[in-house]
Amino acid sequence: GDSVTQTEGQVALSEEDFLTIHCNYSASGYPALFWYVQYPGEGPQFLFRASRDKEKGSSRGFEATYNKEATSFHLQKASVQESDSAVYYCALNNTGANTGKLTFGHGTILRVHP
Amino acid sequence: NAGVIQTPRHKVTGKGQEATLWCEPISGHSAVFWYRQTIVQGLEFLTYFRNQAPIDDSGMPKERFSAQMPNQSHSTLKIQSTQPQDSAVYLCASSLGGGQDTQYFGPGTRLLVL
Repeated sequence: GDSVTQTEGQVALSEEDFLTIHCNYSASGYPALFWYVQYPGEGPQFLFRASRDKEKGSSRGFEATYNKEATSFHLQKASVQESDSAVYYCALNNTGANTGKLTFGHGTILRVHP
Repeated sequence: NAGVIQTPRHKVTGKGQEATLWCEPISGHSAVFWYRQTIVQGLEFLTYFRNQAPIDDSGMPKERFSAQMPNQSHSTLKIQSTQPQDSAVYLCASSLGGGQDTQYFGPGTRLLVL
């Protein structure tokens, strides 16, 4: 079945550091790819998406580029802030499976120290 | 514009009792999804409605779990004879038309079964 693998565990950075969270996927069809962010006590919040090869999604300084050959959608941000501390989820939606469900990675905890 | 509304936010039940969770999707969205979030399993898809009709319930446990969407403004997830392993955050999401449309999540209902 479909699956998403992302950077495991926690990423600890200082403010203004560069962020990369790796995301790789496995899917039979041509999935749409998503990044969501989750703060304590809240549901996952949509960050951005990309639907085709080489498309770049971006929001709030975060960005990722759909790479079909490498099956990747890595999240990056040039200069993180303490307020970016949260859990980040990469997800895919594979309509080739004739369903609208999202398949999520296990999440990556980002901690940004002042 | 109100987001997805979920009630209650927290629910504590005794083992063997019934729990009913409510979701009100974003107005105008025709697709509703239910997910379950635990530390061990992460975010798991449960079921999906489009235009109130059940489309995919492949993630629903075969026993004790049921979901309905009696009208376009709310969906319910019912768990009969709750067990401690049902303790989780139950998340509802809605999207404009299903398929690969972006899903927007509610804050979740935290269910604790004692």
